[in-house]
Amino acid sequence: NAGVTQTPKFRVLKTGQSMTLLCAQDMNHEYMYWYRQDPGMGLRLIHYSVGEGTTAKGEVPDGYNVSRLKKQNFLLGLESAAPSQTSVYFCASSYPEMEQYFGPGTRLTVT
Amino acid sequence: GENVEQHPSTLSVQEGDSAVIKCTYSDSASNYFPWYKQELGKRPQLIIDIRSNVGEKKDQRIAVTLNKTAKHFSLHITETQPEDSAVYFCAASINQAGTALIFGKGTTLSVSS
Repeated sequence: NAGVTQTPKFRVLKTGQSMTLLCAQDMNHEYMYWYRQDPGMGLRLIHYSVGEGTTAKGEVPDGYNVSRLKKQNFLLGLESAAPSQTSVYFCASSYPEMEQYFGPGTRLTVT
Repeated sequence: GENVEQHPSTLSVQEGDSAVIKCTYSDSASNYFPWYKQELGKRPQLIIDIRSNVGEKKDQRIAVTLNKTAKHFSLHITETQPEDSAVYFCAASINQAGTALIFGKGTTLSVSS
């Protein structure tokens, strides 16, 4: 039972490049979330999903897209990376109204 | 939308003292309030949570209180130990469905021995 995993762990992008972050969970959770964490800013919700095929915007959705084609996977895409998207990205999953379990994080640097 | 304010941003205590972290929220529809602990370089982990139909919850040295009328909730850690040193985040659900969380900006707790 791996819990929540994230791929990759680290990535460096140049401005304007695109990439996809993958989150996978093996706990059969309905809900999945993407957060970004910046120093002094806490965890900010980017997008979330309450089930396969559904997504919703969080606090800071601009510049990101998501897809939930399979219940166990939640993908976060950056179409044209900007330096302001340099951050640590955390994925999480949960049952409805229950504890969120976080992945180990992806450290992204955009130069 | 929901807004969560957390204070203080840093807190230093001596081992054995108590520590209190306070949060306020803006959306009266919020009904789930978890607290997460994050050690340096690690992922956040839940330490305690409380729902809106409960005023207080305790788990060993950790307790959380909720005042729905005033829209604030607090984390209390008694008999602090050096291993309690970490960043603590409060959060509030964004609606009655509890579908997602809005987090406070965090409190860095330092416990010195």
